[in-house]
Amino acid sequence: DGGITQSPKYLFRKEGQNVTLSCEQNLNHDAMYWYRQDPGQGLRLIYYSQIVNDFQKGDIAEGYSVSREKKESFPLTVTSAQKNPTAFYLCASRWGSSYNEQFFGPGTRLTVL
Amino acid sequence: DQQVKQNSPSLSVQEGRISILNCDYTNSMFDYFLWYKKYPAEGPTFLISISSIKDKNEDGRFTVFLNKSAKHLSLHIVPSQPGDSAVYFCAARDNYGQNFVFGPGTRLSVLP
Repeated sequence: DGGITQSPKYLFRKEGQNVTLSCEQNLNHDAMYWYRQDPGQGLRLIYYSQIVNDFQKGDIAEGYSVSREKKESFPLTVTSAQKNPTAFYLCASRWGSSYNEQFFGPGTRLTVL
Repeated sequence: DQQVKQNSPSLSVQEGRISILNCDYTNSMFDYFLWYKKYPAEGPTFLISISSIKDKNEDGRFTVFLNKSAKHLSLHIVPSQPGDSAVYFCAARDNYGQNFVFGPGTRLSVLP
């Protein structure tokens, strides 16, 4: 049963703590993405990775970090440098060729107290 | 500056009627357009796409129209069903890379 999983579904952290969000896919997709969604806004790109051991900053990378050590996994760390970390975080993946859609995970709701 | 715009935050239609969701873009380098549907607290799911060499693509109740000269695309849902009630995102990809730009979404409510 192929798909993308994100864990946990809900996450609470104290201000000033780093937190890592998990994203795993078993679709054999090359590319993986992290987006952030805030109320009333579209999805904004945080980081993306086309292949293992390579990743690029998106539009709002400040205060975030990622790694891509395995094709299946693309964890996102929200650091204490991120000014407004409370948001809904979405992970996506796709095959590397041109005309393919992204498949999204169920999302993680992060609340910083 | 938003490159992908969905100027209607919300839309309400009666069950069985047509729903038309609109999307405008500013970047003429976009060559691939997609529509996603999203329920609250879930990830978006892909609905339908169109490449810039086409002006129409149809899949069941869903049809996407692309007007390149106007930089406008629309999603038609016929007939609309209550289960179609969700937020719909328009997305576009430029032919330089692998990234997608999303609009802010339109909340569709289909009334029984």
